[in-house]
Formats: sequence, C-alpha cells, structure tokens
Amino acid sequence: AQKVTQAQTEISVVEKEDVTLDCVYETRDTTYYLFWYKQPPSGELVFLIRRNSFDEQNEISGRYSWNFQKSTSSFNFTITASQVVDSAVYFCALSAAGGFKTIFGAGTRLFVKA
Amino acid sequence: GAGVSQSPSNKVTEKGKDVELRCDPISGHTALYWYRQSLGQGLEFLIYFQGNSAPDKSGLPSDRFSAERTGGSVSTLTIQRTQQEDSAVYLCASSLDRALGHEQYFGPGTRLTVT
Repeated sequence: AQKVTQAQTEISVVEKEDVTLDCVYETRDTTYYLFWYKQPPSGELVFLIRRNSFDEQNEISGRYSWNFQKSTSSFNFTITASQVVDSAVYFCALSAAGGFKTIFGAGTRLFVKA
Repeated sequence: GAGVSQSPSNKVTEKGKDVELRCDPISGHTALYWYRQSLGQGLEFLIYFQGNSAPDKSGLPSDRFSAERTGGSVSTLTIQRTQQEDSAVYLCASSLDRALGHEQYFGPGTRLTVT
C-alpha cells in the first residue's frame, strides 16, 4: 500500500523564520515520484517540485529547498526566511510507476505572520 | 496560456438531485484526474483518465458517481442522487503524460454544496 504522512497539521511562524515541512512516505515500488504542491488561500494547487526515486540529490530553488532521504522515506521541504506570501497549505504527494493514483498527504497549513 | 478550467465554480443543489461537473484540461494533456477535497482535508483520488479511457476508477466512492471523457479532452463528473456528504470541492487536474510521472496542473475547483 502507498501512503503519505504529513504529521504537522498546522505550523505558525513569524516572517523571516525558517520552517521545515515534513513528509514521510510508504511504497513497495522501487520506481516512484514525489511531489510538493502549494495551495494558497485562493485555492488553486500549484506544483512546486518533483523528484524521482533514483535521484536523491537535494534541490534548492531560491528560498525553497528539498531534502530527499530514501533511508528514512522522507521528502522534507524547507522555506528559508519565510514571507507572508508563503502562507498556504502544502501537500506532499507520491506517485508510483506501476499505478495510476497520486496519493496526497493531508497537507500542512503554514501561517506566516508579519 | 490557458490552464485547466472547471465549471461551475460553485453549485448548490438539493439532496437527491443529480449534478454534472465539467473539466476542460490543458490542450495536449492526455492524462486527467478528478479529486475531492472536503473542508480542511487532503485530496481524495476519484478517477483517472488516459485519453478517453479510465484505467482506474477505484476511487469513486459509490455507484452514484460516474465520469466520462470525450475526444480526449473535456471530462464530466456526474453525481446522481446527491447526498449531503457529497459536499466538497471537486478538483480536476491534467498532466502531459502519466507514464512519465509528470506533474499535475490543477483547476480552480467546483465547490458543491448539497442542502
């Protein structure tokens, strides 16, 4: 069975703080993809990043960085120097090569206060 | 360019009535997904289309739910004899090609309220 767990339901930080959103996944497939999506208050989900299971390199994009560790089945997302515009619900998702579903975690709601 | 569009944006219906929700994916995207998002919850997978066929219908909650896609483009999700527990935001997404693990592009959703 495939599963994505985002244990943090809500996180509240003050602007300029760094924040890490946790994502733990389960799958028996050796080939899979992991994603992060952002859902701002406007409601429309926006794709942020995709990693495949064979690429454990961490990635940095501006203030965003992602840490993929197969040993712990985790794909964590860090926002450095958070801004109010980062306030949103963030979803981690898993898609295995053999199936059709993309399994989403329950999401982490991030509040960034000015 | 045009993104994924969904209509209507809001739908209020009485319990027992049928509703149709429409999704217009990004042109050229062969894969199309329907999800349901209840208030404050994550996304629940409903159904996936590759072209006009639906290899995976396992997420449909009951036989009151059905979906079709014609011409490899527009998709309609139909809910018959709506119940109050069907109230949710129904999201549609499309992607270039499912087989390559492409990211999904989401529409704004249809907020369904069953009274």
